[in-house]
Amino acid sequence: AQSVTQLDSQVPVFEEAPVELRCNYSSSVSVYLFWYVQYPNQGLQLLLKYLSGSTLVKGINGFEAEFNKSQTSFHLRKPSVHISDTAEYFCAVRSNQAGTALIFGKGTTLSVSS
Amino acid sequence: DADVTQTPRNRITKTGKRIMLECSQTKGHDRMYWYRQDPGLGLRLIYYSFDVKDINKGEISDGYSVSRQAQAKFSLSLESAIPNQTALYFCATSDVRDGTYNEQFFGPGTRLTVL
Repeated sequence: AQSVTQLDSQVPVFEEAPVELRCNYSSSVSVYLFWYVQYPNQGLQLLLKYLSGSTLVKGINGFEAEFNKSQTSFHLRKPSVHISDTAEYFCAVRSNQAGTALIFGKGTTLSVSS
Repeated sequence: DADVTQTPRNRITKTGKRIMLECSQTKGHDRMYWYRQDPGLGLRLIYYSFDVKDINKGEISDGYSVSRQAQAKFSLSLESAIPNQTALYFCATSDVRDGTYNEQFFGPGTRLTVL
C-alpha cells in the first residue's frame, strides 16, 4: 500500500518570497506522483505530475517539483509567490500497478501575504 | 460545460435520512472515484470503479454504497446519514491511454451537512 505525508500543515510566506511544500511518500513499488491545488471554495486542479523520465517536473503557474527516489520525496517549489497562490495544496501518489487509485496527503495551506 | 458534474452542489439533511449524490462525466473516461474531504484530513477515498462492472472499496467505505449506472454515471449513497458524514464530497474520473496512467479530473464538489 502507498501513503503520503505532507510535512507542513500550514506555510505562511510573504509575497515574492520562495516557497517549498514538502511531500514524502512510502511505497514498495514504483509510483506516479501528483500535486493538486484547491483555491478557496473551488475543486481540485492539477498542478503537475511525475510519471517517468526527468525527475524535475514543471507545472502551471510557475510551480515545479523534483522527484527524489532515494529520499522518497516530491517537494513542490516556486521561486517567487504571489498573493493569488494562496490555496491548499495536496500531494498524491498512485502505484504503477493496475487496479489502484490516488492516495492523497492531508494538505498544506499556503498563505501568501503582502 | 463542465466535464465532471456533481448534483446537488449543497445539501442539508437530517440524521437517518437516505441521501444520494450523483456524478456525471462527459470525458469518456472508464474510471470514476468518490472522495470525501474533511479539514485537516485531506481527501480520503470512499469507492472507485474502473468500469461498469468493477466496483472497489476505498479507505473509508463503511456507511456508504455506490452504483455505476453507466460509463458516465457514478452515484454515492448514504443509506442512513449520520452527522460525522458531514463533509465535502468529490467525484473524479481518469483513464489510461497508450498504457499510461493519466491524472484524475475532479468535479466541483458537493457540500453535505447532516444535522
